[in-house]
Amino acid sequence: GQQLNQSPQSMFIQEGEDVSMNCTSSSIFNTWLWYKQEPGEGPVLLIALYKAGELTSNGRLTAQFGITRKDSFLNISASIPSDVGIYFCAGQNSGGSNYKLTFGKGTLLTVNP
Amino acid sequence: GAGVSQSPSNKVTEKGKDVELRCDPISGHTALYWYRQSLGQGLEFLIYFQGNSAPDKSGLPSDRFSAERTGGSVSTLTIQRTQQEDSAVYLCASSTTPGLTQYFGPGTRLTVL
Repeated sequence: GQQLNQSPQSMFIQEGEDVSMNCTSSSIFNTWLWYKQEPGEGPVLLIALYKAGELTSNGRLTAQFGITRKDSFLNISASIPSDVGIYFCAGQNSGGSNYKLTFGKGTLLTVNP
Repeated sequence: GAGVSQSPSNKVTEKGKDVELRCDPISGHTALYWYRQSLGQGLEFLIYFQGNSAPDKSGLPSDRFSAERTGGSVSTLTIQRTQQEDSAVYLCASSTTPGLTQYFGPGTRLTVL
């Protein structure tokens, strides 16, 4: 099946620093998504990307859908303590009966105040 | 309105027992998804419902796992004869229609002793 490789696995940064994480896939996706999960909660959608080459921002977050449709990155600028959590990329190929999300293993972000 | 709710939030059971996990999707959402999150495997798709039917059951790991949905709303995931490797957080998500944003519940943490 499709596999997503997400890196880095974890990051420990100082408040105010910028963060970058990325995902690569062995096959193409039509949609790339970035979720954040905090302890005891389910993942929450941050950004959705629907078109190859698309660059989308949501506040301090910026994500891009790679031209090859096999990769995506997420940048967080000027990190703050509440950015702490696990960030997941997910790919989706919608159609027929296939609407599942395929997730990366996650990036654990720790922000030191 | 309310988000996706799941019950129980935590379940501890003995190996060999059956368990039922419940998901209440967001009102009006026709699509419902079950995922499993474990340390070694990350977030994995289990099954997807459109209305009361399940067009994609490809992620169910064995015939001990089953799910149903009634009235186009509540869904129950049943695990029979639980094994220790079934220990994980079981997450439910729903979307307005298939292919649109999936909203996740807080999950049920299952521990099999």
